[in-house]
Amino acid sequence: GAGVSQSPSNKVTEKGKDVELRCDPISGHTALYWYRQSLGQGLEFLIYFQGNSAPDKSGLPSDRFSAERTGGSVSTLTIQRTQQEDSAVYLCASSSGGRGAETQYFGPGTRLLVL
Amino acid sequence: DAKTTQPPSMDCAEGRAANLPCNHSTISGNEYVYWYRQIHSQGPQYIIHGLKNNETNEMASLIITEDRKSSTLILPHATLRDTAVYYCTADYGQNFVFGPGTRLSVLP
Repeated sequence: GAGVSQSPSNKVTEKGKDVELRCDPISGHTALYWYRQSLGQGLEFLIYFQGNSAPDKSGLPSDRFSAERTGGSVSTLTIQRTQQEDSAVYLCASSSGGRGAETQYFGPGTRLLVL
Repeated sequence: DAKTTQPPSMDCAEGRAANLPCNHSTISGNEYVYWYRQIHSQGPQYIIHGLKNNETNEMASLIITEDRKSSTLILPHATLRDTAVYYCTADYGQNFVFGPGTRLSVLP
């Protein structure tokens, strides 16, 4: 079946502009994660959605970052007033949820470059 | 802070077993250990996970120490295509912490 998809695959923007990144999780997966990966670094957790529960936003680096998940499916990560340090690959993952069932399936990522 | 630690890099000869260690000393009793790998420019790929017992699947084996403070991922017969960055992580309260991982280079 279809895996996790993300769009756009690449995004170049100017400092100060807002960007929206989209994630389509695997159908039926209740959990959705956003991560950020800077060049040569590990994955930095940003936000986690599980069903209808309030999202875990503990990883968002500043109030310029926000995310929503509509209808328990598609998610959008928004970065306002982008800065050059926001340049990274933004990865989305989904899982079926539940203890021991948190295997995450990752999308290909969106490469963001802020000039 | 809840975190995992791994060596930054390892080499392995093609055809030999690759043993990748991970320390997760802050893990609690009901948190699973997961391993993923990331091949250049791709999203991470799930390999295996476990709680207490050793696990094996078609890709790898996972050995977890009795005190659960460390684990080892074993690729029994490494191939050139196994060259990747390998991440060990755990579901610390559903907030998965991925360290910088181990860059495994399989050498011909």
